[in-house]
Amino acid sequence: GQSLEQPSEVTAVEGAIVQINCTYQTSGFYGLSWYQQHDGGAPTFLSYNALDGLEETGRFSSFLSRSDSYGYLLLQELQMKDSASYFCAVSGGGSTLGRLYFGRGTQLTVWP
Amino acid sequence: DTAVSQTPKYLVTQMGNDKSIKCEQNLGHDTMYWYKQDSKKFLKIMFSYNNKELIINETVPNRFSPKSPDKAHLNLHINSLELGDSAVYFCASSPRQESYEQYFGPGTRLTVT
Repeated sequence: GQSLEQPSEVTAVEGAIVQINCTYQTSGFYGLSWYQQHDGGAPTFLSYNALDGLEETGRFSSFLSRSDSYGYLLLQELQMKDSASYFCAVSGGGSTLGRLYFGRGTQLTVWP
Repeated sequence: DTAVSQTPKYLVTQMGNDKSIKCEQNLGHDTMYWYKQDSKKFLKIMFSYNNKELIINETVPNRFSPKSPDKAHLNLHINSLELGDSAVYFCASSPRQESYEQYFGPGTRLTVT
C-alpha cells in the first residue's frame, strides 16, 4: 500500500522561508508531486520530482531523495496568498499507474 | 474558458436518494478521474477513465457508478446515498494515464442529511 506523512500545520510570517516535509512508503514509485489548495478551492499542481535533487519554479522549489523516500516543498519570500493547504502525492507505475496517492495535507498559515 | 467544470457546485439531499454529478473537460485530455475529499481534507482517488475505458476502481462501494460517454465527459451517479457520502467530490483530468499533473475541477460539495 501507500502511506505519506507530512506535518498537519505550519505557520510563518510574510517574507520568510518555510519547508514542508513529506515522507512516503509506497510499492512502485514514479515520482512525488506537490499540490496547493486554498480553502474552498480546487487542488492545483505546483511541482513534480521523478529524480533526486531540487526543482525550482519561481518562489517554490521541491526536493526529492528516492533513497530516503523523502521530499520537501520549499516556499520562499512568503506572501499572504500562500496561506493554503499543501499536499504531497506519490505516483507509481505498474498496477498503480495513473494513481496519485495524496498525503493528508499541511495547512500553511502566513502571518503579516 | 473553464478547463474542467463540474455541476452542480452544491448538492444537498436526503439519505436514500440517488444523485448525479457531471464533469466536462475541454483540455483534450485522455484521462479523467473522480476524487473524494473528506471533512479532514483527505483526498482519495475513486475512479479513473482513459479514453472512455475504466482503468481504476479504487474499492469504492458499488452504489457509486461512473460513466464516460466520451473522453471529455465523466459523470458520477450515486445510489442510496448515506450520511458518510457527505464530502467534496472533485473531477480531474490529465493528458495521459501516467501523467502526474492533474487538472482539478472546482468540486461538488455533497451534503447528505
